[in-house]
Amino acid sequence: EVQLVESGGGLVQPGGSLRLSCAASGFTVSTNYMNWVRQAPGRGLEWVSLIYSSGTTYYTDSVKGRFTISRDNSKNTLYLQMNSLRAEDTAVYYCVRYDTSDYYFDFWGQGTLVTVSS
Amino acid sequence: IQMTQSPSSLSASVGDRVTITCRASQSVSYYLNWYQQRSGKAPKVLIFGASSLQSGVPSRFSGSGSGTHFTLTISSLQPEDSATYYCQESDGTLLTFGGGTKVEIK
Repeated sequence: EVQLVESGGGLVQPGGSLRLSCAASGFTVSTNYMNWVRQAPGRGLEWVSLIYSSGTTYYTDSVKGRFTISRDNSKNTLYLQMNSLRAEDTAVYYCVRYDTSDYYFDFWGQGTLVTVSS
Repeated sequence: IQMTQSPSSLSASVGDRVTITCRASQSVSYYLNWYQQRSGKAPKVLIFGASSLQSGVPSRFSGSGSGTHFTLTISSLQPEDSATYYCQESDGTLLTFGGGTKVEIK
């Protein structure tokens, strides 16, 4: 059974850093395309970042240079390092697998809340 | 690519036919997916590739369209369909969502 479990969210001050983790089971992170998608309180879904099986990464413009997506193959875990956090980064962050046969987000974690506030 | 959904919200009765529209700022071919998000839950895919029904999703949900204009139709609205619906393009490397359509039951 595929499972994605996020952790690492919490309250952080503006300008601070946080690292989110996503522990996967039931499949191998390194052979899949993995994403982070966020949702600000009361707002819609926003794609944040993607890492291909090749290791190539992509980011939405608003987080480029501040966020870094990575993975640890030995732990089958996806990460999102978030630096220089802003109030507008406050959101629930979902770890999401991407189906590369039919090109859609097929499995989602339960999400972890990041709150950026002083 | 920008994705624009309409309406942003709607209220309909059980049994009604409901249609949600999604427009892309440039052609995304058939690379368009629809998700349902119930309150407090993670989204789940309903339709992928513009018109393919995900396994386990009720047949009252259907999708159509190509290029820049897509629709999600619920043929007979049920109480459990109260949720927010999002379109999402998968044509590019930046995987954009529409703004969402909140569906309420009268």
